[in-house]
Amino acid sequence: DAKTTQPPSMDCAEGRAANLPCNHSTISGNEYVYWYRQIHSQGPQYIIHGLKNNETNEMASLIITEDRKSSTLILPHATLRDTAVYYCIVRPSLQGAQKLVFGQGTRLTINP
Amino acid sequence: DTGVSQDPRHKITKRGQNVTFRCDPISEHNRLYWYRQTLGQGPEFLTYFQNEAQLEKSRLLSDRFSAERPKGSFSTLEIQRTEQGDSAMYLCASSSQSTTVITDTQYFGPGTRLTVL
Repeated sequence: DAKTTQPPSMDCAEGRAANLPCNHSTISGNEYVYWYRQIHSQGPQYIIHGLKNNETNEMASLIITEDRKSSTLILPHATLRDTAVYYCIVRPSLQGAQKLVFGQGTRLTINP
Repeated sequence: DTGVSQDPRHKITKRGQNVTFRCDPISEHNRLYWYRQTLGQGPEFLTYFQNEAQLEKSRLLSDRFSAERPKGSFSTLEIQRTEQGDSAMYLCASSSQSTTVITDTQYFGPGTRLTVL
């Protein structure tokens, strides 16, 4: 079972920042937070991941609370192409390969 | 583009027929994963390979399903005697085991959409 809770849907205006929350209150100390998104009829696309520090890349920023029980993915200037289902996943940082356990995700709609 | 590729992108078949899908991972990625995604749901893990060894299989992978990765490069997923419940998107992902990075990031292909009539 997925270890995360996300709102089923969100809306955001084009050009605004989209803030997608994720609750992972049972996260363990060695588990990473991963974000993927899936645009309709395509494969999931990796966005970003982090352990405890905030992370930023060319796609997004990831803010993890100090207690690590929740996080927020930020798309700083949302465009229509950011409309997708966004998945928050927790995953152990073990050396072996680890499958991804997807939940239902958040369906983000960017409105013009 | 040197991402994960899958072939075919779409497959329509009749119940009872066998189908085979192919996945070509990112070059030099030694880990390869198969997932299945039904309408409205997130992807579900089926199996994974490290090089040519199949190291884990989900309970979802019934006896009618078989996956191979004969030379540690591309992989095939075969479904025998297809059923209507097999209709889904079949996704492949690959990653690279690293001695310096603890967690490996999986990169997905575009998927193969199977419709069983």
